Parts: sequence; structure tokens; C-alpha cells
Amino acid sequence: QQQVKQSPQSLIVQKGGISIINCAYENTAFDYFPWYQQFPGKGPALLIAIRPDVSEKKEGRFTISFNKSAKQFSLHIMDSQPGDSATYFCAVPNTGTASKLTFGTGTRLQVTL
Amino acid sequence: NAGVTQTPKFQVLKTGQSMTLQCAQDMNHEYMSWYRQDPGMGLRLIHYSVGAGITDQGEVPNGYNVSRSTTEDFPLRLLSAAPSQTSVYFCASSLSSSYGYTFGSGTRLTVV
Repeated sequence: QQQVKQSPQSLIVQKGGISIINCAYENTAFDYFPWYQQFPGKGPALLIAIRPDVSEKKEGRFTISFNKSAKQFSLHIMDSQPGDSATYFCAVPNTGTASKLTFGTGTRLQVTL
Repeated sequence: NAGVTQTPKFQVLKTGQSMTLQCAQDMNHEYMSWYRQDPGMGLRLIHYSVGAGITDQGEVPNGYNVSRSTTEDFPLRLLSAAPSQTSVYFCASSLSSSYGYTFGSGTRLTVV
């Protein structure tokens, strides 16, 4: 069973600032490492994902940094906006079958004006 | 294109009752999963399927049954509801193990 630790539990960032959320996993995993964004009352939505053969992926204001040797990856939100206020989850595929994702416990991000 | 459709959106059950949460997707996705979301615990996998006729247990399968007779549908059955099953349930589907999951809008279940 994959173990995933996500931090921080909550985060308050001023508009225009950088939000950083971290995720660490224990068992060797493969395939891809996604981040999901969830707004209240909605289901999670895929935000960005990275494959383990690259160290960084950028899509607009969102960047994933991946450290395979340390078994850690992080989400950076540049120029954070109030509309980014949501809960973010990292997910890691279970060893042996990437069809099973283990999610982190989530980070509630609040971007203030 | 409806994506992943879950019904009902809200449900209140009495302890011991049974019910089925419905999930349907119209994207021809092979992979489907059921998760439950509880405060502070993230999303926990209940059951998943990699294709019609193939299902397997996730992290928290006790008290739940699934079947996958078609590619489109993946219902979740609560056999005898317990207060500990009060949660928000999400169904998700994916084209393959290398693609992100598309989630439904969830079913909020309360067991009294």
C-alpha cells in the first residue's frame, strides 16, 4: 500500500505571491504523478501531472518539481490569485498498478487580496 | 459530453438499509474507481475496475460491493449502511493508467 504525506495542511498566501505544496511518498512508484484541484461542492479536477523521467513541468502559473531520488514532488503556483483558493491533492500510483491512486490528505489554499 | 455522472447527489439512509450509488461515464474509459472523502483524510479508494468484468479492492472496501457489467457503468452497493459510511463518495474514470482521472460531482451520503 502506497503511503503519501502532503504538507502543509493549510496555506494562506497574498495575491501575487507563490504557493508551494509538498508531497512525499514511500514506495517506489512509476507512471505519472498528478495534482488535483477541488473547489467546495465539486469533484477533484486534474490540474497538472508529471512523468518520473523529468524533473519539472510547467503549465501556465502551475509548476511541478519532481525529485525522484528523494521521492518527493511539489506544486508551485506563481502569481497566486483569489480564484486559486481551493483544496489541492497530490496523488501517487500504487506500486505494481498505476490504476490505483493514493491521494494525499489535501492542502486548503486561501489567496487573500 | 456529460463526462462522469453520479446519482443521487444527496441521500440519507437509516442504519442497516442498503442502497446503490450509480456512476456512468460516456467517454469509453476502461478505468473506473470509487473514492470516499472524509474531512482531513483526503480521498480513499474503495474499489476500482480496469475494464468490464474486472474489479478489485482498494484501501477501504469493507461494507461495499461493486460490479462492472458494461464499460459505461460502475455502481457501488452499500450492503448494510452504518454511520461510519457517512461521507462524500466520488466516482472517477480514466482512459488508462497514464492519464488523469475525471471525477463526478459526488454523492453526499448521511447514515443515521
